[in-house]
Amino acid sequence: AQSVTQPDIHITVSEGASLELRCNYSYGATPYLFWYVQSPGQGLQLLLKYFSGDTLVQGIKGFEAEFKRSQSSFNLRKPSVHWSDAAEYFCAVAPGAGGFKTIFGAGTRLFVKA
Amino acid sequence: NAGVTQTPKFRVLKTGQSMTLLCAQDMNHEYMYWYRQDPGMGLRLIHYSVGEGTTAKGEVPDGYNVSRLKKQNFLLGLESAAPSQTSVYFCASRTQGKSEAFFGQGTRLTVV
Repeated sequence: AQSVTQPDIHITVSEGASLELRCNYSYGATPYLFWYVQSPGQGLQLLLKYFSGDTLVQGIKGFEAEFKRSQSSFNLRKPSVHWSDAAEYFCAVAPGAGGFKTIFGAGTRLFVKA
Repeated sequence: NAGVTQTPKFRVLKTGQSMTLLCAQDMNHEYMYWYRQDPGMGLRLIHYSVGEGTTAKGEVPDGYNVSRLKKQNFLLGLESAAPSQTSVYFCASRTQGKSEAFFGQGTRLTVV
């Protein structure tokens, strides 16, 4: 069965520090992978996506993610966190480009301290 | 450019009451979705639609009904609300052949 695991419920980092949010998935074939961000009181916004090709993908707001097939992981990274990055981040997996039944992880809430 | 608009943004219901959540998108998207978001569980798909006049069940459809009479609107109905349906509901839409889904701002529903 498809599943997405985000091991960290919440993470706190200092402003300017680097960030890595973990995501592990379980899927029979090569999945389509996504990271979304949800700011307080807002809907979800797509940060980046991976379908194929280069395993390091760049997204908006300075985020990047690396697909590692051997580890079934798709971790999100940012070299220097800004206070405005405080939000909840969701990893998702889908069977196709759109994936009617996209599966979301439980989310990781990021806190940024000054 | 409104994108995806959900109405209402907040609602409190008594157990057994009914209500309809409206989702409207102005991007001419074929696909529309209703999710619920609960703490520690991420987003779970309730129902979805691949086009006007068509709907299908998602992961957690029980207690909900949907209709897609017009391409731009996707309605989510609760016939007899239960406290277990207290949640934040998100609508999303996507165009065929594209991967990015666009989300509404959510509806926070409390059933007491």
